Amino acid sequence: AQTVTQSQPEMSVQEAETVTLSCTYDTSESDYYLFWYKQPPSRQMILVIRQEAYKQQNATENRFSVNFQKAAKSFSLKISDSQLGDAAMYFCAYRSAQSGTYKYIFGTGTRLKVLA
Amino acid sequence: DAGVTQSPTHLIKTRGQHVTLRCSPISGHKSVSWYQQVLGQGPQFIFQYYEKEERGRGNFPDRFSARQFPNYSSELNVNALLLGDSALYLCASSFTVNTEAFFGQGTRLTVV
Repeated sequence: AQTVTQSQPEMSVQEAETVTLSCTYDTSESDYYLFWYKQPPSRQMILVIRQEAYKQQNATENRFSVNFQKAAKSFSLKISDSQLGDAAMYFCAYRSAQSGTYKYIFGTGTRLKVLA
Repeated sequence: DAGVTQSPTHLIKTRGQHVTLRCSPISGHKSVSWYQQVLGQGPQFIFQYYEKEERGRGNFPDRFSARQFPNYSSELNVNALLLGDSALYLCASSFTVNTEAFFGQGTRLTVV
């Protein structure tokens, strides 16, 4: 069974600084997707960035980028130029790309605080 | 375009009661999934439906059931509520079973 682990329950960053959130996962599959979701107090899960396992190039979306290390099964999120609106819970998630149930497997989350 | 809509947004139930949660997917999406998010945890997969058929079920007791209607909306039913069922229930819709899922804002269920 696949698992996702986020070892940082809470992180803080100064506004305009850079922060990295960690995520490790375990799977025996070769084809899968990894995601970072943001969950603000409004509760809605918002997709921040996604990575296909078969792509070696790390995904980037504006101020958000990932460091995907497939052999190490590591998938960290870097937020550059942090803004007050980035404060939220961040969840790392895994989804199989093989046939079957395409469920998302989430980590326990990291609460990000942005200090003015 | 409207996103995934869930109703109600909040509700309070008593132990032993039954509850029905509703979800309307994004227009054109044919798959709906349900997740339970207990406070302080990540969402846990409950069900996935596609074209009105169950395509997957998580490790939840038979008190949990769901269905998908011809218009692709979905209901999640929970019988004999326990205190431990208190959680945020998230619905996610996708065009097919293996395309990107979009989440609703959830229903906050409190069992007292």
